[in-house]
Amino acid sequence: DTAVSQTPKYLVTQMGNDKSIKCEQNLGHDTMYWYKQDSKKFLKIMFSYNNKELIINETVPNRFSPKSPDKAHLNLHINSLELGDSAVYFCASSQDLAGRQETQYFGPGTRLLVL
Amino acid sequence: GNSVTQMEGPVTLSEEAFLTINCTYTATGYPSLFWYVQYPGEGLQLLLKATKADDKGSNKGFEATYRKETTSFHLEKGSVQVSDSAVYFCASLSGGYQKVTFGIGTKLQVIP
Repeated sequence: DTAVSQTPKYLVTQMGNDKSIKCEQNLGHDTMYWYKQDSKKFLKIMFSYNNKELIINETVPNRFSPKSPDKAHLNLHINSLELGDSAVYFCASSQDLAGRQETQYFGPGTRLLVL
Repeated sequence: GNSVTQMEGPVTLSEEAFLTINCTYTATGYPSLFWYVQYPGEGLQLLLKATKADDKGSNKGFEATYRKETTSFHLEKGSVQVSDSAVYFCASLSGGYQKVTFGIGTKLQVIP
């Protein structure tokens, strides 16, 4: 019973393609996130959604578009992939926005390689 | 804005050695502080946390104390094991919207 799951685990694709990464959480959490981790392990938030509503949208190219069909799912679609998009993308969730103690639960990551 | 500064790794220790990974933060107000651990090939998972000054978080032999006067949250363990080899991230949470700020991560390698 994986709490936060992502598919696919690995994604190898050509520059210019469009791809999607899916994320699902079965924890009943209200808030979900996408993070990008570069080759040096630096972790940066991209987006967060609360009950299907976009809350955080960091400076991310318009080629990245999150979609939340319901509060248990947050998918990431990437258009016109570039070499610099190669990274590990992590989905995460937390109970809600308000608590100071809220722990974030991370998925296993999707390793994207753009050739 | 908020920031978290961690010591850069990698840190290589022999088994049973004492571990310290330094972390300092800047934030408006009083953030909650966290240490997350990332084992090879996996996502991050919470190791410990503290929500107010002088709180001590602890788990699996690791400890960190929230020091307001030095704005620090250093991670310590008295005797590391090979299984502790991982990347450790210090993080802070303040304000609304659950926007967590992560440090750069410190890779720890423990050799037998």
